[in-house]
Amino acid sequence: DSGVTQTPKHLITATGQRVTLRCSPRSGDLSVYWYQQSLDQGLQFLIQYYNGEERAKGNILERFSAQQFPDLHSELNLSSLELGDSALYFCASSGGISGREGELFFGEGSRLTVL
Amino acid sequence: GQSLEQPSEVTAVEGAIVQINCTYQTSGFYGLSWYQQHDGGAPTFLSYNGLDGLEETGRFSSFLSRSDSYGYLLLQELQMKDSASYFCAVRDRVSGGYQKVTFGTGTKLQVIP
Repeated sequence: DSGVTQTPKHLITATGQRVTLRCSPRSGDLSVYWYQQSLDQGLQFLIQYYNGEERAKGNILERFSAQQFPDLHSELNLSSLELGDSALYFCASSGGISGREGELFFGEGSRLTVL
Repeated sequence: GQSLEQPSEVTAVEGAIVQINCTYQTSGFYGLSWYQQHDGGAPTFLSYNGLDGLEETGRFSSFLSRSDSYGYLLLQELQMKDSASYFCAVRDRVSGGYQKVTFGTGTKLQVIP
């Protein structure tokens, strides 16, 4: 158990809809990262937050947005969903005292299926 | 721009040694990490190299050469449970002095009896 919690684990929705994925980082971690992994693909970096502030942006579509709240949990909002958005969305956290240098702790992911 | 390259697939025999290479191109390089991911699972951290040289953790070792923009993961005494995807990941600097972590496309390792 990495200590990172993601909900929901599975989500099935229709094209054009909007969903929100939630992530609670490990206790003490200030950084949250979001990654998208399509079938048999690598991990595409979407966005990173540190203590509530956006710190880095990757290949995140304009239809997607995210934020990190004062309690450090983060949400990834996906809107106007398309079939190609079907993927596994991972949240990772880092920055706490107990992690090794360079270590990201990943949640179990949220599997999104768009029909 | 930024890029990471690693082989897409590797097959090795149980008990053998396998090396997975990773080359990268980036500016503001801080370090190279390796992660393991079993099918359907979450990536888990294996090792990190911030400086040149070899880092050893049990059966796994990782090497970095900053001058060659190259690193590798070495798995020894392969076991069937090592069958998984292995990702190299670059930690580098972005504007504002912050850091991000970018993953390669992954190497699928199949260990055969």
